[in-house]
Amino acid sequence: AQSVSQHNHHVILSEAASLELGCNYSYGGTVNLFWYVQYPGQHLQLLLKYFSGDPLVKGIKGFEAEFIKSKFSFNLRKPSVQWSDTAEYFCAVTANQAGTALIFGKGTTLSVSS
Amino acid sequence: DTGVSQNPRHKITKRGQNVTFRCDPISEHNRLYWYRQTLGQGPEFLTYFQNEAQLEKSRLLSDRFSAERPKGSFSTLEIQRTEQGDSAMYLCASSSSGRSEAFFGQGTRLTVV
Repeated sequence: AQSVSQHNHHVILSEAASLELGCNYSYGGTVNLFWYVQYPGQHLQLLLKYFSGDPLVKGIKGFEAEFIKSKFSFNLRKPSVQWSDTAEYFCAVTANQAGTALIFGKGTTLSVSS
Repeated sequence: DTGVSQNPRHKITKRGQNVTFRCDPISEHNRLYWYRQTLGQGPEFLTYFQNEAQLEKSRLLSDRFSAERPKGSFSTLEIQRTEQGDSAMYLCASSSSGRSEAFFGQGTRLTVV
């Protein structure tokens, strides 16, 4: 079964700082990868997704992520964070085969100070 | 609103009581997931359905938990003989396939007192 590991539990940044959140997954086959965001008091929303093709994917609000197959990683990046990016970020993976569930990491809390 | 709908939004129950939650997915979605989320943690997978078939269950889903999706549309999650450790946010999500994003509902917050 697949699993997801997010290394940073809580990240604190100042506005305009650059962001990188780590995500590693364990699964030997082909995977679909996602980053979700949960703003305070809101439900989970998709930031970006990777299925195949260009390993650098761009999502909403200036976020991007790079899939590095050899490292089983899918790190999330943003060049310059804003106060409104304060939220919890979750990496998720599903194996690219029928009948497999979507599994989440434990999440990273991002706090951005203005 | 054509998103994922969960009812009730909040439930307070006494220990030992049974509770049932309902999830109405986006209408054309054939996959439906249930997750449990506690404070500061990611969504923990409980179970998922493809149409009416329950394809996978987590070890977290003890024999006190049962989920159904009788006609491949809405789903219910029942917890019998609730315990204080069951207090959590229960999330439902749906997707059209494994290669598409899952859309989440607002969740049902369960408090067992």
